[in-house]
Amino acid sequence: AQSVTQPDIHITVSEGASLELRCNYSYGATPYLFWYVQSPGQGLQLLLKYFSGDTLVQGIKGFEAEFKRSQSSFNLRKPSVHWSDAAEYFCAVGATGGFKTIFGAGTRLFVKA
Amino acid sequence: SQTIHQWPATLVQPVGSPLSLECTVEGTSNPNLYWYRQAAGRGLQLLFYSVGIGQISSEVPQNLSASRPQDRQFILSSKKLLLSDSGFYLCAWSAESDTQYFGPGTRLTVL
Repeated sequence: AQSVTQPDIHITVSEGASLELRCNYSYGATPYLFWYVQSPGQGLQLLLKYFSGDTLVQGIKGFEAEFKRSQSSFNLRKPSVHWSDAAEYFCAVGATGGFKTIFGAGTRLFVKA
Repeated sequence: SQTIHQWPATLVQPVGSPLSLECTVEGTSNPNLYWYRQAAGRGLQLLFYSVGIGQISSEVPQNLSASRPQDRQFILSSKKLLLSDSGFYLCAWSAESDTQYFGPGTRLTVL
């Protein structure tokens, strides 16, 4: 069965420090992979997606993610975190022609001054 | 460009009362539509999805139902709300690319 695991429930980083949020998936076919961000009381905003091609994907707000098939991972990174990045981040996996996307439980990011 | 609307933004309802949440999409045709619930501190739970008018798939048996009376309109309903129905309800749409785009959400509190 398909699944997505975000091992960290919450992470705290200092403003200006680098960030890596982990995501592991289990999927039988070639997956579509997504990262979304949710600010409190808001909907989810798409940060980036991977369908095929270059395994390093650039997204909005300075985020990037790298697909590693051998590790079944799709970790999200940012070189320098800003206070406005404090939010909840969701990794998700979908399938070609499928109608359902499986979401991880989310990682809450706290940014300290 | 495509936009997705949800209303109301917030709702406080007594236990046993009916519910109707509405979601509409603009700027696209024949979208796939989804209803999710997000409980406090929890991830997203897919409730219903629809691939066309009148076509509804239910993911979780529960106190809720969904309808799609028009191509770009998706409604979430209940005849009698339970305390456990409280949460943040999100509507989303997708085209063939499978990327889902979310609305702003409705905060429902059942008292």
